[in-house]
Formats: sequence, C-alpha cells, structure tokens
Amino acid sequence: QLVESGGGLVQPGESLRLSCEASGFTFSRYDMHWVRKPLGRGLEWVSTIGAADDAYYLDSVKGRFTISRENGMDSIYLQMNSLMPGDTAVYYCGRDVEGAFGFWGQGTMVTVSS
Amino acid sequence: QSALTQPASVSGSPGQSITISCTGTDSDVGRYKYVSWYQHHPGKAPKLIIYAVSDRPSGVSIRFSGSKSGNTASLTISGLQAEDEADYFCSSYTRSNTWVFGGGTKLTVL
Repeated sequence: QLVESGGGLVQPGESLRLSCEASGFTFSRYDMHWVRKPLGRGLEWVSTIGAADDAYYLDSVKGRFTISRENGMDSIYLQMNSLMPGDTAVYYCGRDVEGAFGFWGQGTMVTVSS
Repeated sequence: QSALTQPASVSGSPGQSITISCTGTDSDVGRYKYVSWYQHHPGKAPKLIIYAVSDRPSGVSIRFSGSKSGNTASLTISGLQAEDEADYFCSSYTRSNTWVFGGGTKLTVL
C-alpha cells in the first residue's frame, strides 16, 4: 500500500513537500517513482529514486524538485520549490515493477494558483 | 522527453477486440523492453495492466495483451466488456534514464 500526503493550494513561487508512505513490501529493495496527472490531461512521469539513492527528473522540474527516500520510515518525499501553475496536478507515488509503475497510491492534489 | 503517440480515442462493441497503438522512437519504445500499459478510471488510481511489453501482473484479465514491433507497441483488449471503458496510457523507459507516457486513449464501449 502507498499513501501520499502533503498536497495543497499554494501560490506561484512557493514550496510544498509531498510524502509517500509504503507498507506491505520490503521498501528498501525497490525503485520508487512520482507521476502526476494534470486535470484533463495525460499522465506525466516526474521523478524516480533508485534503491541505491540515484535520482532522475523530468526536464521541466530539474533544479526545482528534489526526490529523497528514508528507508527507516518506508517513505519517499518530493520537495517541490518554485512551483508554477503548470505543476498543478494529482501527484501519485508508485513502486517499480520491472521498469513499470506497478503499484500506485490514491494521489495527492497540488494546486498552484494566485 | 517527447510524449509517445497514441490515438485519442477508440471504440468497440461488447465482445469485440480493439487494439491501441503507442508509437515512440528508437530511443525509447524501440530500444527497451520496459514498455507498460495502464488503465485509468477517472477519480481512481491508474492500474498497471501490462509490463515488459507483454507481461500481465497477477490478477489482470487474460483479455489484455501487449506486443511490440519496432518503435510501436500495442495493447489489445479482446472480448470487450463495459467495465473496460476507461483511459489507457502507454509508457516507456528512455535512453535518458527517464520515463515517458503516451497522451492517452479514451476507450468507449458502445
């Protein structure tokens, strides 16, 4: 099970920190992902953190978003700075299954608006 | 990180089969076996239905199948049922160590 939290309504330029708490599997063994879905649009991969702490980002969030993990808490995080209206979306965390997004949380809504 | 190309919509009658295409490049779909498909009902979390081009997760109906030829992957749903009406997205790992999704296909069961 994956449970996201931390979403909300913020103004452009502000920050949010999303959290995703996992249960039911050996968290430390798996790559973990953040994927978002803007309303009325398609899914968009945002970031991945590997089991070895390697991190990868969508070009449009590089330098603004930081993914991290805390294996002792079975959690990943997404620190989102300098938020823009284009970042408005439902953010999902997901567990990797052979290069796919195998298990998803219910999502947390991020709205960036003045 | 250009999106993969999917048809905007497809439709079929109950019991029929439909196929949704997903076209990428030789830097993503054509290069890796890490092509996957997702079913998304509005308001719910997306659900993985195909991974590694053609593998089905446990619990996913055998009516769903995947394949790939060159830079194009395909999802086939046989024996269409009303519950299959949803949005479908493909995804691929890329040479840039990133992932890319298709724009999504709305399946209507007539």
